[in-house]
Amino acid sequence: GAVVSQHPSWVICKSGTSVKIECRSLDFQATTMFWYRQFPKQSLMLMATSNEGSKATYEQGVEKDKFLINHASLTLSTLTVTSAHPEDSSFYICSARVLAGATEQFFGPGTRLTVL
Amino acid sequence: AQSVTQPDIHITVSEGASLELRCNYSYGATPYLFWYVQSPGQGLQLLLKYFSGDTLVQGIKGFEAEFKRSQSSFNLRKPSVHWSDAAEYFCAVGGDTGRRALTFGSGTRLQVQP
Repeated sequence: GAVVSQHPSWVICKSGTSVKIECRSLDFQATTMFWYRQFPKQSLMLMATSNEGSKATYEQGVEKDKFLINHASLTLSTLTVTSAHPEDSSFYICSARVLAGATEQFFGPGTRLTVL
Repeated sequence: AQSVTQPDIHITVSEGASLELRCNYSYGATPYLFWYVQSPGQGLQLLLKYFSGDTLVQGIKGFEAEFKRSQSSFNLRKPSVHWSDAAEYFCAVGGDTGRRALTFGSGTRLQVQP
């Protein structure tokens, strides 16, 4: 149980285009999903916390207009990288929390974004 | 603010040797501690977690970790390393806060020599 999927697993796009990444909890409802970013050979950095039915909470330094997060249902959160640039190339990982107040998160397999 | 330090960026061990990966945390209350493993280009797999109770926790793949409050540590151990254990290992801390997100250490890359 507690499986989280991400789609696509990798994407290559041209500079200036927008890319949408989906994060789905397959066998449970997730009231909260988290989006992390990981640069090569570095750790995961929290970008934003996504709560179903409300606006996402962004970490300091993360541009909310550039990284649009939508958590429209209890099983789906999307991250849209708008007007992507090469510096946005990274590994994006989502995680989902099963219950409100629970600390344990289940991670998706990640999405590799390459912006040319 | 919570933080996690993994002092060893890179560790190399011989196959069959024992392993200990260090993790120190900073947190104002009782922490929830995790160890994750990540293979190249892959997501994170949870090895083990500590919430409360017995300070020695057993995980998957033969790993264990010991929570030592006095040392603010949660070191990961394995008595005999296999070549397939080569990967990146992350220690993370979470807590009963409003954000409830995890804070990750910088990771330790494990290389296993034949």
